[in-house]
Amino acid sequence: GQQVMQIPQYQHVQEGEDFTTYCNSSTTLSNIQWYKQRPGGHPVFLIQLVKSGEVKKQKRLTFQFGEAKKNSSLHITATQTTDVGTYFCAERDDKIIFGKGTRLHILP
Amino acid sequence: KAGVTQTPRYLIKTRGQQVTLSCSPISGHRSVSWYQQTPGQGLQFLFEYFSETQRNKGNFPGRFSGRQFSNSRSEMNVSTLELGDSALYLCASRERTSLNPSSYNEQFFGPGTRLTVL
Repeated sequence: GQQVMQIPQYQHVQEGEDFTTYCNSSTTLSNIQWYKQRPGGHPVFLIQLVKSGEVKKQKRLTFQFGEAKKNSSLHITATQTTDVGTYFCAERDDKIIFGKGTRLHILP
Repeated sequence: KAGVTQTPRYLIKTRGQQVTLSCSPISGHRSVSWYQQTPGQGLQFLFEYFSETQRNKGNFPGRFSGRQFSNSRSEMNVSTLELGDSALYLCASRERTSLNPSSYNEQFFGPGTRLTVL
């Protein structure tokens, strides 16, 4: 069935280091969405990418959609303690399929 | 605007019982989706309601059902509870301006209902 695979599952970084999570699919994605869920919280929508090769930035966050629309990445520059949480990618077609998420832990 | 609200926030039930969870969307949002979140399976889509009709459905057994009222509030029901139904149940609302499922508006999640089945 339709699946989006996310790697890594966990990531520990020192505060100030960069962080990247990847989302991959064996089939072409119609779009990709990214969400952040803080510990004990609920998912919060970050962004949606639709076009092949699209790149969007939100402050220290950079989102990319692959040329073949089969992968996407979220890159955080100079992580801060407020970046802690789980980052999910998801494809929305008639249903929404979430990846398993990457849990980011920041070491002070 | 007030955010998405869900009641109750916590619930403990025993196997075989049934449960009804409630979700009030953001004012003006007509689409409500439900998700199950567990450590093992992650976030899984249950169903989406729009204009009191179920528009999309995930791969869950018929024990999971829902409905939407004319004011867009939604309820989901799980009958004959199993231990594996223990999860965080999240609802999310969005403005949906057409019946085309690929027309997209950002969805906003509620805080969830934490269901524990003993």
